[in-house]
Amino acid sequence: KAGVTQTPRYLIKTRGQQVTLSCSPISGHRSVSWYQQTPGQGLQFLFEYFSETQRNKGNFPGRFSGRQFSNSRSEMNVSTLELGDSALYLCASSLSGVRLETQYFGPGTRLLVL
Amino acid sequence: KNEVEQSPQNLTAQEGEFITINCSYSVGISALHWLQQHPGGGIVSLFMLSSGKKKHGRLIATINIQEKHSSLHITASHPRDSAVYICAVSLYAGGTSYGKLTFGQGTILTVHP
Repeated sequence: KAGVTQTPRYLIKTRGQQVTLSCSPISGHRSVSWYQQTPGQGLQFLFEYFSETQRNKGNFPGRFSGRQFSNSRSEMNVSTLELGDSALYLCASSLSGVRLETQYFGPGTRLLVL
Repeated sequence: KNEVEQSPQNLTAQEGEFITINCSYSVGISALHWLQQHPGGGIVSLFMLSSGKKKHGRLIATINIQEKHSSLHITASHPRDSAVYICAVSLYAGGTSYGKLTFGQGTILTVHP
């Protein structure tokens, strides 16, 4: 079974631009979570989607948004990029996103904002 | 104060040594996860614990729910074990726990041959 895939793997943008990242979960997994990893703040939860609905959201500004499609693939969008948005963005999938499930992580998208 | 605290932050060992990484948490949880992250970024889930002890190869993870503490042990360490080890918890908080992990700051482990 194929693992979680993320595209693109690397991205360079300039301040003020917007960016869209994509995540394809493991086949059969319906929950997709997104995380941001920076050297200063570590790993932080962005949001979680299940059956095309956002069920949970972390403490990030409204510039960060996402969506999920009927095939469970998910995208996240960051508008009006700031230098501080430079980070590794990871998605993780699980069967249903409930508490006692293992999350399987993708390789991440490394975003650099200049 | 962070909800999840790990110690030590950095750990250097010689090949063959027994290694322990500790994790303490201050909130009610339903599960605790140990994750491994290699240079390049990919994260692998090593264990998910809600009680007791689990073992996989040279790795052992334990959790004490009453003391809100978990440990990850590596027996007979090897240079290929060099990585960042991250403790994460699934909070026991109803709907706000969906798909959300809360992470410790990670322990950077370097094992020298």
